Amino acid sequence: EADIYQTPRYLVIGTGKKITLECSQTMGHDKMYWYQQDPGMELHLIHYSYGVNSTEKGDLSSESTVSRIRTEHFPLTLESARPSHTSQYLCASSVRLLAGELFFGEGSRLTVL
Amino acid sequence: GIQVEQSPPDLILQEGANSTLRCNFSDSVNNLQWFHQNPWGQLINLFYIPSGTKQNGRLSATTVATERYSLLYISSSQTTDSGVYFCAVGNAGGTSYGKLTFGQGTILTVHP
Repeated sequence: EADIYQTPRYLVIGTGKKITLECSQTMGHDKMYWYQQDPGMELHLIHYSYGVNSTEKGDLSSESTVSRIRTEHFPLTLESARPSHTSQYLCASSVRLLAGELFFGEGSRLTVL
Repeated sequence: GIQVEQSPPDLILQEGANSTLRCNFSDSVNNLQWFHQNPWGQLINLFYIPSGTKQNGRLSATTVATERYSLLYISSSQTTDSGVYFCAVGNAGGTSYGKLTFGQGTILTVHP
């Protein structure tokens, strides 16, 4: 079983607030990812990281930002939340291989009022 | 980028029935995974199967990479199998290095 953790699991917040979604993994994986998923829809990659101090934007444009100061930690931040940011955010990690198995956390479901 | 198409989009079964879910992809891949998303939103790894056949209990999967498709078989389905099944593929070339592209999913409902 994968050891990747996300907090909070659920968050309801007002427009304009700053939020940070936390993601930590204890597997020592170099590669980490953030996916965004609207209800009933497929997942879209919004950020990824190949390792410490490496961050890249994914296929879906997002106003969120990420940082990777430690291998095990990959937080996502929204400086000013809006209702359009309401979604589920899923963090994942994989070993440093050309084709590695992806492991997901339980997800953070964000609702912006 | 790679296109991923899953079929059927929805599937309703009686408990005990068997089913086959299909995933077609548009380019060569070196990474293919099947996931089950439970009602609480968590994605559970079912198979890492860029080629060949694997089995795990009532579930099995086959990927024919040369023909660009993968199949997930569920036998003797149970109500706990309900949820969304995603296929995700990736390759190591160019800007898609290490990243997975997800299909739109198959929604499976198993009735008692």
